[in-house]
Amino acid sequence: QVQLQESGPGLVKPAETLSLTCSVSGDSMRNYFWSWIRQPAGKSLEWIGRISSSGDSNYNPSLKSRVTMSVDTSKNQFSLRLTSVTAADTAVYYCARWDCRGGACNPEDPWGQGTLVTVSS
Amino acid sequence: DIVMTQSPDSLAVSLGERATINCKSSRNILHSSNSKNSLAWYQQRPGQPPKLLISWASTRESGVPDRFSGSGSGTDFTLTISSLQAEDVAVYYCQQYYWAPRTFGQGTKLEIK
Repeated sequence: QVQLQESGPGLVKPAETLSLTCSVSGDSMRNYFWSWIRQPAGKSLEWIGRISSSGDSNYNPSLKSRVTMSVDTSKNQFSLRLTSVTAADTAVYYCARWDCRGGACNPEDPWGQGTLVTVSS
Repeated sequence: DIVMTQSPDSLAVSLGERATINCKSSRNILHSSNSKNSLAWYQQRPGQPPKLLISWASTRESGVPDRFSGSGSGTDFTLTISSLQAEDVAVYYCQQYYWAPRTFGQGTKLEIK
């Protein structure tokens, strides 16, 4: 059974870079897509973007200028970098997996437990 | 971006009664390759990540109780809980996964009356 676990600093200063890693266990990363999704306290979910196991990425246009995702299948990990953070980037950040079959892609499942990142000086 | 609008924002239902949550997409999310709607429903309990309940608008995930059902097509969708149980208290989100970026509804908070 695949499991995902986010890790990274829980506190980031304004204008600095948020960096998170998602570790995947229980299955290979190949042939899957890997998403980052965030959720400010008491609010809904925002899809940040995704990366394929081969490194092809697609980002939400609202964050595209500040986001970079990368994948390391040898370590069974993928990562998120978000630059120039502000208080508005304070949220629980989730990683999740999905795939495509026969030209149709599935929703995210499963998700990691999430990690809270606070942007504050 | 595709806007997903849920109604109501909150809902209080008595135990054993039916709960209905609606979700409207600003654009058709019918997938041409399989003729299915790219609409998912998630349940999120406090302090937990979202749990996938239903995909393709009406396909219940393995292990999800059959009191949960999804329906709808095109732009209008519904999640129904046929007989509310105490453990169903949560926030429910719809998501479209046809268009990039994927987008979620604002959530519906379900409580016991």
